[in-house]
Amino acid sequence: AQSVTQLGSHVSVSEGALVLLRCNYSSSVPPYLFWYVQYPNQGLQLLLKYTSAATLVKGINGFEAEFKKSETSFHLTKPSAHMSDAAEYFCAVTTGFQKLVFGTGTRLLVSP
Amino acid sequence: DAGVIQSPRHEVTEMGQEVTLRCKPISGHDYLFWYRQTMMRGLELLIYFNNNVPIDDSGMPEDRFSAKMPNASFSTLKIQPSEPRDSAVYFCASSAYRGANVLTFGAGSRLTVL
Repeated sequence: AQSVTQLGSHVSVSEGALVLLRCNYSSSVPPYLFWYVQYPNQGLQLLLKYTSAATLVKGINGFEAEFKKSETSFHLTKPSAHMSDAAEYFCAVTTGFQKLVFGTGTRLLVSP
Repeated sequence: DAGVIQSPRHEVTEMGQEVTLRCKPISGHDYLFWYRQTMMRGLELLIYFNNNVPIDDSGMPEDRFSAKMPNASFSTLKIQPSEPRDSAVYFCASSAYRGANVLTFGAGSRLTVL
């Protein structure tokens, strides 16, 4: 069975600083990987997805993630944090059968 | 398209009462998912449908929970009788087969059972 582990339930950065949210996956077959974002009192929105094409995936709002098979990682980064990036971020994995398994989430806090 | 529409957005009920949550997926999406989100357990997949047929209900916590999808544009999640531990945010999501597993989520239904 596939799973994802998100390291750090909370990450705090200053506005303008690098954002790095960590995700490691476990899958016996080549995975599809996703990052979703959840703003307060809203549903989850897709940030980006990896589906075995380019290993560096660019998403919305300046976020990107790199698939590293050797490290079984799919970390999310953004060069410069903005106050509006404060939200909860979820990594998710599937092997292609429409059933996503989500991580426990990382809350990103951005201070001025 | 208005996206995935869930109702009610908030529900407060007393233990033992029946609760019905509703979902209208995006038109043309042939997969529908029900998730539950709590602080303790995070996001849990309860059940999902393909072309209105339940495919995997292994996440449904117990017999008090049931879900139906009578047609392509409507699904319900019912809890009877409800218990305080059912308090959570329930999300409905839909996707298209060719959408590479991209789920579109509704805004959620926040359930509080007193």
